[in-house]
Amino acid sequence: KQEVTQIPAALSVPEGENLVLNCSFTDSAIYNLQWFRQDPGKGLTSLLLIQSSQREQTSGRLNASLDKSSGRSTLYIAASQPGDSATYLCAVRAGNQFYFGTGTSLTVIP
Amino acid sequence: GAGVSQSPSNKVTEKGKDVELRCDPISGHTALYWYRQSLGQGLEFLIYFQGNSAPDKSGLPSDRFSAERTGGSVSTLTIQRTQQEDSAVYLCASSSNSLAGYYEQYFGPGTRLTVT
Repeated sequence: KQEVTQIPAALSVPEGENLVLNCSFTDSAIYNLQWFRQDPGKGLTSLLLIQSSQREQTSGRLNASLDKSSGRSTLYIAASQPGDSATYLCAVRAGNQFYFGTGTSLTVIP
Repeated sequence: GAGVSQSPSNKVTEKGKDVELRCDPISGHTALYWYRQSLGQGLEFLIYFQGNSAPDKSGLPSDRFSAERTGGSVSTLTIQRTQQEDSAVYLCASSSNSLAGYYEQYFGPGTRLTVT
C-alpha cells in the first residue's frame, strides 16, 4: 500500500525566509503528485500538480519538484509571507485513489 | 465557475442517529471523491465515483457508511447509526478525468460532523 510521509510536521520561520517542505512516497507507480494548502477550518486549495512525466512545476513564489524514482517531492516557497501560514499537504495518485501525507504546519512570523 | 460545494457546513447529531452529507461537484467533472479527516490525522479515502462505472468503495470503514451519486452529479454520503468515532470533517473533491489525464482534484469546504 502507498504510504506518504511529510517532514517536518511543523515549521516556523521568520518572514522573508526561503523554505523547503518535503514529501516522500513508498511506491513510485504514481500518475501524479499534487500539493495543497489547508487553512484552519477550511477545505484544501490546490497549489501545484506535477504529472509523473514531469520534474517540476512553478507558480509564483512556489516551485514543486518530483523525483519519482526516489519517491520524493519538495515544495519550495520563496520569500515567505505571514499569509503563507497554513498546513501544506502532498498527495499522490495511484490507481483510483489519492494518498495523502499528514501535512506540514507552517507558521511565518512577521 | 462555481467550485465544489458541500452541505451542511456543520452537523451535530446524537449517537445512533443517521446523517446525510451532500456534495455538489464542479459542473462537468466526472470523478467525485469522499474523504474523512479526523483531528490530527491525514485524509482518509472513503469512496470514488467515476462516470457511470461502479464506485470504488474500498475505503468505507464499515457497512454503516454508504454513498450515492445521482445523475452523475450530486453525491450523498450517508452514515447510519452514528458513533462518536465518526466525528470528523468530511471532504468531497471532484476532478475532470479528461483525455489530458490531469486528474487535478478540487475540494469543497467540508462538513464538520460532531457526534455527541
